[in-house]
Amino acid sequence: EPEVTQTPSHQVTQMGQEVILRCVPISNHLYFYWYRQILGQKVEFLVSFYNNEISEKSEIFDDQFSVERPDGSNFTLKIRSTKLEDSAMYFCASSATAQETQYFGPGTRLLVL
Amino acid sequence: SQQGEEDPQALSIQEGENATMNCSYKTSINNLQWYRQNSGRGLVHLILIRSNEREKHSGRLRVTLDTSKKSSSLLITASRAADTASYFCATGNTGGFKTIFGAGTRLFVKA
Repeated sequence: EPEVTQTPSHQVTQMGQEVILRCVPISNHLYFYWYRQILGQKVEFLVSFYNNEISEKSEIFDDQFSVERPDGSNFTLKIRSTKLEDSAMYFCASSATAQETQYFGPGTRLLVL
Repeated sequence: SQQGEEDPQALSIQEGENATMNCSYKTSINNLQWYRQNSGRGLVHLILIRSNEREKHSGRLRVTLDTSKKSSSLLITASRAADTASYFCATGNTGGFKTIFGAGTRLFVKA
């Protein structure tokens, strides 16, 4: 069964460093999403992406964040200058249409020191 | 405003009992999804119910949606210890590009 994959599974970085989180959505899906979950808290929407542009973003998704689909299979989230409060689990998801089920990847656990 | 708030926050039941979790939301939605998350792991999709649907079933799961009350419920029948997890509802806005998760219900099923 097709699934969303994410790399790396864990990343530790120093405050102020740039990180790139990678996702490979399900191959025939057209809509892509990033979410984050701070330990013990709820899942928070960051951004949705369709047709090579951002469809919608939350207040969390400020200028430090960017997303890109650099090729036909990868979808990336970049955090330019990480802060301690960026430490969280980051989930990528994809769906065939905006109204269909979103399938989530296993997540990348980011720790900013 | 908060969207997709579940209650109860935590639920502890015996194996074999039914578990009911509720979700309320504030704004108009296109669909509502229920997910399960085992501790520290990924989100597993359970059911999607559209705004024009009232009830859906999948195995031991039954989801209802009442758009007039802006609420949904997830019923797990004949629960098993393996059902122990956090359960989240997630509402899709009418544009379809933003999904908001609730705080979740932690379900503990005792063997």
